[in-house]
Amino acid sequence: RKEVEQDPGPFNVPEGATVAFNCTYSNSASQSFFWYRQDCRKEPKLLMSVYSSGNEDGRFTAQLNRASQYISLLIRDSKLSDSATYLCVVYLGQKVTFGTGTKLQVIP
Amino acid sequence: DTAVSQTPKYLVTQMGNDKSIKCEQNLGHDTMYWYKQDSKKFLKIMFSYNNKELIINETVPNRFSPKSPDKAHLNLHINSLELGDSAVYFCASSPTSGGEYEQYFGPGTRLTVT
Repeated sequence: RKEVEQDPGPFNVPEGATVAFNCTYSNSASQSFFWYRQDCRKEPKLLMSVYSSGNEDGRFTAQLNRASQYISLLIRDSKLSDSATYLCVVYLGQKVTFGTGTKLQVIP
Repeated sequence: DTAVSQTPKYLVTQMGNDKSIKCEQNLGHDTMYWYKQDSKKFLKIMFSYNNKELIINETVPNRFSPKSPDKAHLNLHINSLELGDSAVYFCASSPTSGGEYEQYFGPGTRLTVT
């Protein structure tokens, strides 16, 4: 099993749709979690941290399920500008692992 | 002001050559990283330095050697370049080496080995 796994997609969704991505991690001792966004031919940038109790930032909601060892990202009311690859990031102490990314394409 | 900068942005070279990529951050961060993103877009950590000390050294060929002259700089030297080294190399920095804070990435160096 890979340390961090994501469905590569692509997820093709119409504008205004709600879309959700999951990311599973193999080590139950993993401590902190993030979602990053990477636009085509650009560097990754932090989208949001993932807190144990779940957290929301505008149209974006992140959740952590420690029992099942996954994190999720929900995007509501998708915009064309949300088209990107979404990377989950898992920390175990100083060791950081990026997921392979899920590609989202929002269609007009 | 650029937070994390890398030079060069593009690098095209022949197999067997030696090349270096430079990275500088002006954020005052203690930790810097090198990542490799291959053609399948998989972003894999190569090295991490905290206050000039190597803390993560993933399984990479010893042709790759990082050097940190001070905590604001982390350079990557690659000897005897191979076709498989073609990728985008990202430098990043964060305030600490743990997972409390985000990482700030440089714009990447696109290396093509012919």
